[in-house]
Amino acid sequence: DTGVSQNPRHKITKRGQNVTFRCDPISEHNRLYWYRQTLGQGPEFLTYFQNEAQLEKSRLLSDRFSAERPKGSFSTLEIQRTEQGDSAMYLCASSPRSGLGGNTIYFGEGSWLTVV
Amino acid sequence: GESVGLHLPTLSVQEGDNSIINCAYSNSASDYFIWYKQESGKGPQFIIDIRSNMDKRQGQRVTVLLNKTVKHLSLQIAATQPGDSAVYFCAETPNSGYSTLTFGKGTMLLVSP
Repeated sequence: DTGVSQNPRHKITKRGQNVTFRCDPISEHNRLYWYRQTLGQGPEFLTYFQNEAQLEKSRLLSDRFSAERPKGSFSTLEIQRTEQGDSAMYLCASSPRSGLGGNTIYFGEGSWLTVV
Repeated sequence: GESVGLHLPTLSVQEGDNSIINCAYSNSASDYFIWYKQESGKGPQFIIDIRSNMDKRQGQRVTVLLNKTVKHLSLQIAATQPGDSAVYFCAETPNSGYSTLTFGKGTMLLVSP
């Protein structure tokens, strides 16, 4: 499978616990993105990496959220001290660097988080 | 603030009909537009894109039209099939660089057999 891979697909956690999601982008895509989506809404940008460098962060990304991409390949998104408002689908996406069409962002299937 | 939005939240069509999904955007600096299809429980799937220097682009059974004068984007699906039932999002990115997408709220397309 050459698509964007995310795991776990579903996570139920108690409020206050930490959770971590992993994303494996499409091979050789050097851009990686994290988005969040709640029911009935479009995805909202959280952060983006070019290789291992985190180049942009949304103000939606509070101090409890941290994302890493240590070797420029897979990425992790950690949420500390989860709150019920964090319940959402967390989407990872990747894209190659340049060119119309080549700039297309491809999304993974998402990781559903439910905080109880 | 700047936003991308849709006119119709739900569109119901019969199988075989042509479907048109509309999207309005307000950021005049937007340079690149994309349509995504999202099925229940899945991530958005790329359908077709268009750059601001174009007004029409065609794919397989889909056509995207861009009217920069009125900041309007549409997705036309020919011979709609039940498998086309999903939520459709338009997304835009500014010409300052291709780093993030701003999505609209989505339109649900329901195709009856």
